[in-house]
Amino acid sequence: KAGVTQTPRYLIKTRGQQVTLSCSPISGHRSVSWYQQTPGQGLQFLFEYFSETQRNKGNFPGRFSGRQFSNSRSEMNVSTLELGDSALYLCASSPRQFNTEAFFGQGTRLTVV
Amino acid sequence: DQQVKQNSPSLSVQEGRISILNCDYTNSMFDYFLWYKKYPAEGPTFLISISSIKDKNEDGRFTVFLNKSAKHLSLHIVPSQPGDSAVYFCAASGGFLVDSNYQLIWGAGTKLIIKP
Repeated sequence: KAGVTQTPRYLIKTRGQQVTLSCSPISGHRSVSWYQQTPGQGLQFLFEYFSETQRNKGNFPGRFSGRQFSNSRSEMNVSTLELGDSALYLCASSPRQFNTEAFFGQGTRLTVV
Repeated sequence: DQQVKQNSPSLSVQEGRISILNCDYTNSMFDYFLWYKKYPAEGPTFLISISSIKDKNEDGRFTVFLNKSAKHLSLHIVPSQPGDSAVYFCAASGGFLVDSNYQLIWGAGTKLIIKP
């Protein structure tokens, strides 16, 4: 069974640009959560999608948005990039909503210059 | 204000000895706790969990202890092996007692280094 796939693995963007990250969950999983990992800050929860609806949201500005498609694939968008957005963005999938034992992808390393 | 704290950024342990990773939390509403392990260039993987109705959960070489009065949990690895070298994240959730508040709150992680 294929794991969680995130694309791209690495990305370099300039301040002010926008970026879209993609996550394909494990087949059959309907919940997708997004996290930001920065050194010393652990994993910060961005949002969770279940059945194409955002069910839960962390404390991030509106520049961070996401969506989920009918096949459970999810995208995360960050607009007007700032240097502080440089981080590892992780996607996790679960078979059901509010499942804390999620399966993570390898992440997308975003560098904003 | 961090609700879940892992105060040791790194820990070095001799192979074969016990590794003890600590985690403190501030929110008394948390009722479910997890440990995840993360290797470089990989996403975190679930290791072990414990609910607040227990004070100990064991899985092979891994044991998690929960002290609710102290709002403290610890992960014990015995014996430590080189493959255990990784970053360990502690996470907490209030999802099972507090409606819709399942969101996992994560610690900053502790890098465990097992010396041969």
